[in-house]
Amino acid sequence: DTGVSQNPRHKITKRGQNVTFRCDPISEHNRLYWYRQTLGQGPEFLTYFQNEAQLEKSRLLSDRFSAERPKGSFSTLEIQRTEQGDSAMYLCASSTPGPGSKTQYFGPGTRLLVL
Amino acid sequence: GDSVTQMEGPVTLSEEAFLTINCTYTATGYPSLFWYVQYPGEGLQLLLKATKADDKGSNKGFEATYRKETTSFHLEKGSVQVSDSAVYICALSDNTGFQKLVFGTGTRLLVSP
Repeated sequence: DTGVSQNPRHKITKRGQNVTFRCDPISEHNRLYWYRQTLGQGPEFLTYFQNEAQLEKSRLLSDRFSAERPKGSFSTLEIQRTEQGDSAMYLCASSTPGPGSKTQYFGPGTRLLVL
Repeated sequence: GDSVTQMEGPVTLSEEAFLTINCTYTATGYPSLFWYVQYPGEGLQLLLKATKADDKGSNKGFEATYRKETTSFHLEKGSVQVSDSAVYICALSDNTGFQKLVFGTGTRLLVSP
């Protein structure tokens, strides 16, 4: 078990460019979450996958954001036409299936800076 | 909607001092409660959790008790170390549906030798 991994760890881009981040969850974790954390704040929920199905999206996820999990394993988060307000840490988490309270395990995050 | 409120930081302590970080929540139903720790430039690590009222979560000398009557989950440690310096974030999740986490704003702890 190697934990949740995210790539890249850091991304600097110019306003208006597109960026894509990748998350590899812990194997056999069928639940995958994306969160965004701005400086000095706690993380905020963006979207949730169960296997390959995107079942929930926050209103924070504008139409410039799209997330996929094509085979129910890794996930990508794309931001089109980036804005300076998109600068944040993007965190991915995964958890096991089944009823009851499940612990979410987080990756190291991708820190995005939009210039 | 559900929410979590934490005391503002930074909390500055000397090594071996007693630590309390307050956390209160608002939720419908019976959420699970968590404390996560975040070291500089890193993601979140689960520190401890409690899933029902009166449960006590504990790990690495840290403790927190799920108090339904006061809707609180305060984090405590009897003797902090310099290596405990980090941001501590309280969170809740519902136990139904997709269990998204709702976080507080985090409290930075600075421990000096």
